[in-house]
Amino acid sequence: GAGVSQTPSNKVTEKGKYVELRCDPISGHTALYWYRQSLGQGPEFLIYFQGTGAADDSGLPNDRFFAVRPEGSVSTLKIQRTERGDSAVYLCASSSGTGDYGYTFGSGTRLTVV
Amino acid sequence: RKEVEQDPGPFNVPEGATVAFNCTYSNSASQSFFWYRQDCRKEPKLLMSVYSSGNEDGRFTAQLNRASQYISLLIRDSKLSDSATYLCVVAGGSSNTGKLIFGQGTTLQVKP
Repeated sequence: GAGVSQTPSNKVTEKGKYVELRCDPISGHTALYWYRQSLGQGPEFLIYFQGTGAADDSGLPNDRFFAVRPEGSVSTLKIQRTERGDSAVYLCASSSGTGDYGYTFGSGTRLTVV
Repeated sequence: RKEVEQDPGPFNVPEGATVAFNCTYSNSASQSFFWYRQDCRKEPKLLMSVYSSGNEDGRFTAQLNRASQYISLLIRDSKLSDSATYLCVVAGGSSNTGKLIFGQGTTLQVKP
């Protein structure tokens, strides 16, 4: 596609529920990143995929968070047993590969846990 | 201590003013440096890369001081459309996975 697409754009869920956030990167981009941005803060790194594998998941806050990219294209960020503190904008970005910092960000998914 | 530190502002300036933002970073192994711009409720977008020799793009000038681990952005002749949050970003280091580390952002409001 022309840009990075994220769905849904907004998600409201109840505390304790499970959510999935989807990212469709730019076609041909092998590197995919997930970030989380809380109000008044800069984006915070969560996980990086190179192809299908998670090359760096050091930013995932705990084991309730998990992400996959089974075919090296679309990625899904999964959050189990959501908590109110998980409320944030979840941003996905892609680039042509490691060392290419020409990220393109998607417009994000605004997650609200009530 | 945060890896990238910025004064969050806000900086309120009149149109036509010159304004400068600074940030510091803690990882001396960082290799690449950027300024991103983020409009309200939008995604961050790359404004410019920052090089040791300094670089300029129109009204915007970025500087890097590796010895002091300090990055700056200067905006001349501010326009109303420059109102946004400016994010200082570093990358590289020992892992070099392409991971970007963002500062908190500095908010600029340009007034008529």
